[in-house]
Amino acid sequence: GAGVSQSPRYKVAKRGQDVALRCDPISGHVSLFWYQQALGQGPEFLTYFQNEAQLDKSGLPSDRFFAERPEGSVSTLKIQRTQQEDSAVYLCASSQGTSGYNEQFFGPGTRLTVL
Amino acid sequence: EDQVTQSPEALRLQEGESSSLNCSYTVSGLRGLFWYRQDPGKGPEFLFTLYSAGEEKEKERLKATLTKKESFLHITAPKPEDSATYLCAVQAPFGGNRDDKIIFGKGTRLHILP
Repeated sequence: GAGVSQSPRYKVAKRGQDVALRCDPISGHVSLFWYQQALGQGPEFLTYFQNEAQLDKSGLPSDRFFAERPEGSVSTLKIQRTQQEDSAVYLCASSQGTSGYNEQFFGPGTRLTVL
Repeated sequence: EDQVTQSPEALRLQEGESSSLNCSYTVSGLRGLFWYRQDPGKGPEFLFTLYSAGEEKEKERLKATLTKKESFLHITAPKPEDSATYLCAVQAPFGGNRDDKIIFGKGTRLHILP
């Protein structure tokens, strides 16, 4: 595809519901990142994949957050038993190389609202 | 603690009025410093990467510079379409055998008045 795509663009969940957010990176990009961006803040790192391997998940705020990239392309960020504090924009980015030194291309984000 | 601080938080300029945005960082072993532009409702768009003190990069009306403690994004004769949030991010070692960490600042909201 022409760029990184994310779906859904908007998600409203009731507290306690599980949600799944999808990221389609640029074809051929090895590295994939997930970020959480609260209103008026910069993106905060959640997790990083190199192909299908999750090399860093230090930014995941709790064990309710889980990410996977089983075939090294599409990735899914799953949040179980959503809480109000999970409300934010979730950004996905991909880059061509195997380190973050490379330019990261961001998707438009998924805005999650937990009621 | 590693930190990235951007100032000012918001800036309003008249069209054609040049200015600079600041990104101060305290990290151990900077690998790279990135500038991004973010428009409302969109993901950040890459602008520049700087790797070492003294390095400069330019793109249209934007020029980024880097010292050992901070980076500046200079905007020359801005136009209304330059209005956006400008984000700075740094990449630094985590330590041990862990991958590098990427830390974003909170951004500067720039508004150019016609």
